[in-house]
Amino acid sequence: AQRVTQPEKLLSVFKGAPVELKCNYSYSGSPELFWYVQYSRQRLQLLLRHISRESIKGFTADLNKGETSFHLKKPFAQEEDSAMYYCALRNGQNFVFGPGTRLSVLP
Amino acid sequence: NAGVTQTPKFQVLKTGQSMTLQCAQDMNHNSMYWYRQDPGMGLRLIYYSASEGTTDKGEVPNGYNVSRLNKREFSLRLESAAPSQTSVYFCASSENSGGSYNEQFFGPGTRLTVL
Repeated sequence: AQRVTQPEKLLSVFKGAPVELKCNYSYSGSPELFWYVQYSRQRLQLLLRHISRESIKGFTADLNKGETSFHLKKPFAQEEDSAMYYCALRNGQNFVFGPGTRLSVLP
Repeated sequence: NAGVTQTPKFQVLKTGQSMTLQCAQDMNHNSMYWYRQDPGMGLRLIYYSASEGTTDKGEVPNGYNVSRLNKREFSLRLESAAPSQTSVYFCASSENSGGSYNEQFFGPGTRLTVL
């Protein structure tokens, strides 16, 4: 069965520190993976997707098929990065979301 | 463009009452989705509609019905609300033409409390 796991419910880091939000998946086939972000009082929005191999707001994520992971990384966290982050997997016509990790960047 | 809109924003129901959550998108997307968001569980898919005229069950469809009224609108109905349906409900849409760049666009959410 398709599944996305995010082992950390809450991750707290200090401003300027590196941050890594973990995501692991199980999927039989070639996965399409996404990171979505929800800032306080805003709607959920796409942050980045693995297929475009882009860097958005300093975040990057690399698909590691051997480890079935798609961890989100940023070398220097900013206070405005504080938000809820969801890893998601496209499964045919729909998407499977992980439980989310709340990132708190402390001043 | 308004993107994805949802009404109402908040709703309080008593157990056994019924209501319909409305969702509309103006991006001419083929696919629309209803999710519920609960603490510690992320977003769980209730129903989705791959195209106008079709609907399919997601992970947690029990207690819900949907209607894809036209390409723009996708409603979610609770026939007899239960406290377990207290949640935040999100509607989303995506252009699903079989290509790889199919991000979902989300509405602002409806916060539903069932007493």
